[in-house]
Amino acid sequence: NAGVTQTPKFQVLKTGQSMTLQCAQDMNHNSMYWYRQDPGMGLRLIYYSASEGTTDKGEVPNGYNVSRLNKREFSLRLESAAPSQTSVYFCATGRDNLGLGSYNEQFFGPGTRLTVL
Amino acid sequence: QKEVEQNSGPLSVPEGAIASLNCTYSDRVSQSFFWYRQYSGKSPELIMSIYSNGDKEDGRFTAQLNKASQYVSLLIRDSQPSDSATYLCAVRGSNYKLTFGKGTLLTVNP
Repeated sequence: NAGVTQTPKFQVLKTGQSMTLQCAQDMNHNSMYWYRQDPGMGLRLIYYSASEGTTDKGEVPNGYNVSRLNKREFSLRLESAAPSQTSVYFCATGRDNLGLGSYNEQFFGPGTRLTVL
Repeated sequence: QKEVEQNSGPLSVPEGAIASLNCTYSDRVSQSFFWYRQYSGKSPELIMSIYSNGDKEDGRFTAQLNKASQYVSLLIRDSQPSDSATYLCAVRGSNYKLTFGKGTLLTVNP
């Protein structure tokens, strides 16, 4: 039971290059999230997917696209990387139950450390 | 704009003491509240969840929630050097999304 996995762990890109960050979960959760974490800025939501087949923008979506391939997988794509996208990227899944007494916790993958030169 | 505010620290306590971490939030309809621990270079790890006013205890950790004051706190009793980390407060509103504070760096000195 791996929980939430992310690939790659580290990546260095040149400005203008593209890449896809992969996330997979075996927790059977419906919702999945992509965050970026920068010093002094905290965790910021890029995109999320409440369920298979749906995606929505978060706080900082510009320069990114996402694909919810199936219930298990949620990928983040940088079409033309910029130095401002240098960050640590975390994927998370959410245990969804919006009923009374529900916490809806989110669980994080190990992260991808991306540097754009 | 929903905001979650934390004292950035660093908060330094001696081993064995109680560490008190605080968080305020702006969205009155917030429903669930979380504390995550993040070691340097690692991902956030959920340590406490709370949604009702009052205290919730789990081992050495106690989460306290006061919705009227829009305030949530985390107490760590008998602090250990292994508790040294950044603690993130997160708040969920009426949808699936969490809003995170910027975190408080805690250092427990042997």
